[in-house]
Amino acid sequence: EVQLVESGGGLVQPGGSLRLSCAASGFTFSSYDMHWVRQVTGEGLEWVSGISGAGDTYYPDSVKGRFTISRENAKKSLYLQMNSLRAGDTAVYYCARASLQRYNFDFWGQGTLVTVSS
Amino acid sequence: EIVLSQSPGTLSLSPGERATLSCRTSQSVGSGFLAWYQQKPGQGPRLLIYGTSSRATGIPDRFSGSGSGTDFTLTISRLEPEDFAVYYCQQYGHSRWTFGQGTKVEIK
Repeated sequence: EVQLVESGGGLVQPGGSLRLSCAASGFTFSSYDMHWVRQVTGEGLEWVSGISGAGDTYYPDSVKGRFTISRENAKKSLYLQMNSLRAGDTAVYYCARASLQRYNFDFWGQGTLVTVSS
Repeated sequence: EIVLSQSPGTLSLSPGERATLSCRTSQSVGSGFLAWYQQKPGQGPRLLIYGTSSRATGIPDRFSGSGSGTDFTLTISRLEPEDFAVYYCQQYGHSRWTFGQGTKVEIK
């Protein structure tokens, strides 16, 4: 059974940093692209980063230069380093597995809440 | 960036009724690159439809997707109680993934 479990969320001050982790199980982690998607409470979904099995990375302009996605295939783990955090980054952050076609997300975690506030 | 616009914002229907959800894109999207998700409160989204019209594993056949170019549709033929949720469309293009703002299907 595919499982994705996020951790590392919490309260951080504006301008601060936080590192999220996602522990994967139930599939060959290195064979799949992985992504982070966030959701402001009560609002829609926003893709925030992606990484291929080989380590190629992708970001939208809204987080480029502030967020860094990485992975450790041996540990079946995905990470998101978030720097220079703003109030607008407050959201639930989901870890998601891309399907083998790469164009959509076929499994999602339960999410971890990041709150940026003083 | 391709913008996805979903309508209506909220759909009020009764169990057993047919639901038709629309997703319009600001630029043409290849049929292989459009997906639909269902999200219930407190849960991560669940993939329903990929490649415009292919059902994901375990998705019942009352869910169907169609469309092309800039107009895409998710249809739920007969609403079951567990189908009342928020639905999102999503597209891929040029190494970017974007979502619509969602349609809430609520019990009338």
